[in-house]
Amino acid sequence: AQSVTQLDSQVPVFEEAPVELRCNYSSSVSVYLFWYVQYPNQGLQLLLKYLSGSTLVKGINGFEAEFNKSQTSFHLRKPSVHISDTAEYFCAVSEGRDDKIIFGKGTRLHILP
Amino acid sequence: NAGVTQTPKFQVLKTGQSMTLQCAQDMNHNSMYWYRQDPGMGLRLIYYSASEGTTDKGEVPNGYNVSRLNKREFSLRLESAAPSQTSVYFCASSAYGGANYGYTFGSGTRLTVV
Repeated sequence: AQSVTQLDSQVPVFEEAPVELRCNYSSSVSVYLFWYVQYPNQGLQLLLKYLSGSTLVKGINGFEAEFNKSQTSFHLRKPSVHISDTAEYFCAVSEGRDDKIIFGKGTRLHILP
Repeated sequence: NAGVTQTPKFQVLKTGQSMTLQCAQDMNHNSMYWYRQDPGMGLRLIYYSASEGTTDKGEVPNGYNVSRLNKREFSLRLESAAPSQTSVYFCASSAYGGANYGYTFGSGTRLTVV
Protein backbone atom coordinates (compact mmCIF):
# COMPACT_ATOMS: atom_id res chain seq x y z
CA ALA A 1 0.00 0.00 0.00
CA GLN A 2 1.14 3.50 -0.67
CA SER A 3 2.19 5.93 2.05
CA VAL A 4 3.48 9.47 2.30
CA THR A 5 5.99 10.97 4.71
CA GLN A 6 6.31 14.70 5.18
CA LEU A 7 9.60 15.17 6.92
CA ASP A 8 8.86 18.47 8.66
CA SER A 9 5.77 19.21 10.71
CA GLN A 10 6.55 22.96 10.76
CA VAL A 11 8.78 25.16 8.64
CA PRO A 12 9.50 28.78 9.61
CA VAL A 13 10.86 31.02 6.87
CA PHE A 14 11.38 34.75 6.45
CA GLU A 15 9.24 36.65 4.00
CA GLU A 16 10.79 36.81 0.50
CA ALA A 17 13.12 33.89 1.29
CA PRO A 18 12.96 30.59 -0.62
CA VAL A 19 11.32 27.53 0.88
CA GLU A 20 11.33 23.79 0.31
CA LEU A 21 8.78 21.44 1.85
CA ARG A 22 9.90 17.84 1.76
CA CYS A 23 7.83 14.81 0.84
CA ASN A 24 8.78 11.16 0.37
CA TYR A 25 6.48 8.39 -0.70
CA SER A 26 6.49 4.63 -0.80
CA SER A 27 4.70 2.50 -3.34
CA SER A 28 5.20 -0.73 -5.19
CA VAL A 29 3.79 0.64 -8.44
CA SER A 30 3.79 3.83 -10.43
CA VAL A 31 2.28 6.72 -8.53
CA TYR A 32 0.52 9.98 -9.03
CA LEU A 33 1.56 12.76 -6.68
CA PHE A 34 -0.12 15.89 -5.40
CA TRP A 35 0.38 18.90 -3.19
CA TYR A 36 -2.65 20.48 -1.54
CA VAL A 37 -2.81 23.68 0.53
CA GLN A 38 -5.13 24.45 3.41
CA TYR A 39 -5.48 28.07 4.48
CA PRO A 40 -6.70 28.72 8.04
CA ASN A 41 -10.27 27.55 8.63
CA GLN A 42 -10.75 26.41 5.03
CA GLY A 43 -10.89 23.19 3.06
CA LEU A 44 -8.03 21.92 0.90
CA GLN A 45 -7.14 23.26 -2.53
CA LEU A 46 -5.04 21.55 -5.18
CA LEU A 47 -1.67 23.29 -5.69
CA LEU A 48 -0.22 20.98 -8.32
CA LYS A 49 -0.09 17.38 -9.45
CA TYR A 50 2.27 14.99 -11.21
CA LEU A 51 0.68 12.33 -13.39
CA SER A 52 3.38 11.68 -16.01
CA GLY A 53 5.79 13.47 -18.32
CA SER A 54 8.06 16.27 -17.17
CA THR A 55 9.32 15.72 -13.64
CA LEU A 56 9.15 19.45 -12.86
CA VAL A 57 5.57 20.48 -12.20
CA LYS A 58 4.42 24.06 -11.86
CA GLY A 59 1.37 24.96 -9.82
CA ILE A 60 -0.59 27.94 -8.63
CA ASN A 61 0.79 30.85 -6.60
CA GLY A 62 4.37 30.38 -7.87
CA PHE A 63 4.89 26.91 -6.36
CA GLU A 64 6.62 24.07 -8.16
CA ALA A 65 7.57 20.50 -7.31
CA GLU A 66 10.01 17.99 -8.71
CA PHE A 67 9.31 14.28 -9.00
CA ASN A 68 12.41 12.18 -8.28
CA LYS A 69 11.70 8.51 -8.84
CA SER A 70 15.09 7.24 -7.66
CA GLN A 71 14.76 9.07 -4.35
CA THR A 72 10.96 8.55 -4.16
CA SER A 73 10.55 12.23 -3.41
CA PHE A 74 8.23 15.04 -4.48
CA HIS A 75 9.51 18.19 -2.77
CA LEU A 76 7.61 21.46 -3.04
CA ARG A 77 9.50 24.72 -3.61
CA LYS A 78 8.88 28.42 -3.94
CA PRO A 79 11.69 30.92 -4.67
CA SER A 80 10.22 33.78 -2.63
CA VAL A 81 7.43 33.38 -0.09
CA HIS A 82 4.82 35.92 0.91
CA ILE A 83 2.87 36.32 4.12
CA SER A 84 -0.20 35.05 2.25
CA ASP A 85 1.52 31.65 1.86
CA THR A 86 0.95 30.98 5.55
CA ALA A 87 -0.95 27.68 5.47
CA GLU A 88 -0.67 23.95 5.95
CA TYR A 89 0.61 21.97 2.99
CA PHE A 90 -0.23 18.34 2.34
CA CYS A 91 1.61 15.93 0.08
CA ALA A 92 -0.55 13.10 -1.27
CA VAL A 93 -0.22 9.98 -3.42
CA SER A 94 -2.46 7.77 -5.50
CA GLU A 95 -1.52 4.47 -7.09
CA GLY A 96 -3.94 4.67 -9.96
CA ARG A 97 -5.87 7.12 -12.05
CA ASP A 98 -9.09 5.95 -10.45
CA ASP A 99 -7.73 5.21 -7.00
CA LYS A 100 -8.24 7.08 -3.78
CA ILE A 101 -5.68 9.62 -2.58
CA ILE A 102 -3.68 9.09 0.62
CA PHE A 103 -2.45 12.22 2.39
CA GLY A 104 0.64 12.94 4.47
CA LYS A 105 0.42 14.49 7.91
CA GLY A 106 1.00 18.01 6.69
CA THR A 107 3.63 20.74 7.04
CA ARG A 108 2.74 24.10 8.56
CA LEU A 109 4.50 26.96 6.80
CA HIS A 110 5.10 29.97 9.06
CA ILE A 111 6.14 33.15 7.32
CA LEU A 112 8.23 35.44 9.54
CA PRO A 113 8.17 39.20 8.92
CA ASN B 1 -20.99 27.96 -7.97
CA ALA B 2 -21.52 25.79 -4.85
CA GLY B 3 -19.08 22.88 -5.47
CA VAL B 4 -19.15 20.61 -2.40
CA THR B 5 -21.51 21.61 0.40
CA GLN B 6 -21.27 20.17 3.90
CA THR B 7 -23.80 20.54 6.69
CA PRO B 8 -23.64 21.33 9.52
CA LYS B 9 -20.49 23.45 9.88
CA PHE B 10 -20.30 22.94 13.63
CA GLN B 11 -21.80 20.35 15.97
CA VAL B 12 -21.47 19.38 19.62
CA LEU B 13 -22.66 15.91 20.62
CA LYS B 14 -22.84 14.06 23.90
CA THR B 15 -21.18 10.66 24.11
CA GLY B 16 -23.56 8.02 22.78
CA GLN B 17 -25.63 10.37 20.62
CA SER B 18 -25.99 9.76 16.91
CA MET B 19 -25.86 12.15 14.01
CA THR B 20 -25.47 12.30 10.25
CA LEU B 21 -23.10 14.59 8.41
CA GLN B 22 -24.43 15.61 5.03
CA CYS B 23 -22.46 16.21 1.86
CA ALA B 24 -23.72 17.22 -1.58
CA GLN B 25 -21.88 18.13 -4.79
CA ASP B 26 -23.26 19.82 -7.86
CA MET B 27 -20.44 19.02 -10.31
CA ASN B 28 -21.81 15.69 -11.56
CA HIS B 29 -18.82 13.91 -10.01
CA ASN B 30 -18.80 10.14 -9.78
CA SER B 31 -16.55 9.65 -6.74
CA MET B 32 -17.04 10.98 -3.22
CA TYR B 33 -14.96 10.67 -0.07
CA TRP B 34 -15.10 11.30 3.67
CA TYR B 35 -11.91 12.25 5.55
CA ARG B 36 -11.23 13.25 9.12
CA GLN B 37 -8.50 15.71 10.05
CA ASP B 38 -6.80 15.63 13.43
CA PRO B 39 -3.82 17.70 14.60
CA GLY B 40 -0.56 16.08 13.56
CA MET B 41 -2.37 13.24 11.76
CA GLY B 42 -3.15 14.85 8.42
CA LEU B 43 -6.25 13.65 6.59
CA ARG B 44 -7.31 10.06 7.03
CA LEU B 45 -9.81 8.40 4.73
CA ILE B 46 -12.91 7.06 6.48
CA TYR B 47 -15.05 5.80 3.60
CA TYR B 48 -15.34 6.45 -0.09
CA SER B 49 -17.74 5.83 -2.93
CA ALA B 50 -16.11 5.31 -6.30
CA SER B 51 -19.47 5.54 -8.07
CA GLU B 52 -23.16 5.71 -7.28
CA GLY B 53 -24.26 2.50 -5.56
CA THR B 54 -20.83 1.51 -4.21
CA THR B 55 -19.05 2.27 -0.95
CA ASP B 56 -15.74 1.06 0.46
CA LYS B 57 -13.85 1.34 3.71
CA GLY B 58 -10.83 3.59 4.01
CA GLU B 59 -8.12 3.74 6.66
CA VAL B 60 -10.29 4.47 9.71
CA PRO B 61 -13.88 3.20 9.16
CA ASN B 62 -14.65 1.93 12.67
CA GLY B 63 -17.55 3.76 14.32
CA TYR B 64 -18.90 5.17 11.07
CA ASN B 65 -21.37 4.24 8.37
CA VAL B 66 -22.02 5.87 5.01
CA SER B 67 -24.79 6.10 2.46
CA ARG B 68 -24.44 7.13 -1.16
CA LEU B 69 -28.00 8.34 -1.49
CA ASN B 70 -27.68 9.30 -5.15
CA LYS B 71 -24.98 10.69 -7.39
CA ARG B 72 -25.01 14.05 -5.61
CA GLU B 73 -25.16 13.07 -1.96
CA PHE B 74 -22.88 11.07 0.34
CA SER B 75 -23.68 11.05 4.06
CA LEU B 76 -21.59 9.96 7.04
CA ARG B 77 -23.31 8.60 10.14
CA LEU B 78 -22.03 8.26 13.66
CA GLU B 79 -24.29 5.74 15.40
CA SER B 80 -22.92 6.22 18.92
CA ALA B 81 -20.52 9.12 19.15
CA ALA B 82 -17.34 8.82 21.21
CA PRO B 83 -14.88 11.54 22.30
CA SER B 84 -12.29 9.96 19.97
CA GLN B 85 -14.48 11.06 17.08
CA THR B 86 -13.94 14.71 17.91
CA SER B 87 -12.42 15.97 14.67
CA VAL B 88 -12.88 18.08 11.58
CA TYR B 89 -14.62 16.10 8.86
CA PHE B 90 -14.13 16.87 5.18
CA CYS B 91 -16.12 15.62 2.26
CA ALA B 92 -14.55 15.61 -1.20
CA SER B 93 -15.53 14.63 -4.69
CA SER B 94 -13.80 13.93 -7.99
CA ALA B 95 -14.94 13.30 -11.52
CA TYR B 96 -13.69 9.73 -11.98
CA GLY B 97 -11.12 9.20 -9.28
CA GLY B 98 -8.42 11.05 -7.47
CA ALA B 99 -5.44 11.02 -9.76
CA ASN B 100 -6.62 12.49 -13.02
CA TYR B 101 -8.71 15.25 -11.64
CA GLY B 102 -7.78 15.77 -8.00
CA TYR B 103 -10.42 16.40 -5.39
CA THR B 104 -12.78 19.27 -4.69
CA PHE B 105 -13.19 19.66 -0.94
CA GLY B 106 -16.02 21.01 1.15
CA SER B 107 -15.34 23.54 3.88
CA GLY B 108 -15.57 20.97 6.67
CA THR B 109 -17.68 20.08 9.71
CA ARG B 110 -16.11 20.68 13.11
CA LEU B 111 -17.49 18.01 15.48
CA THR B 112 -16.95 17.94 19.22
CA VAL B 113 -18.05 14.95 21.30
CA VAL B 114 -18.23 15.60 25.03
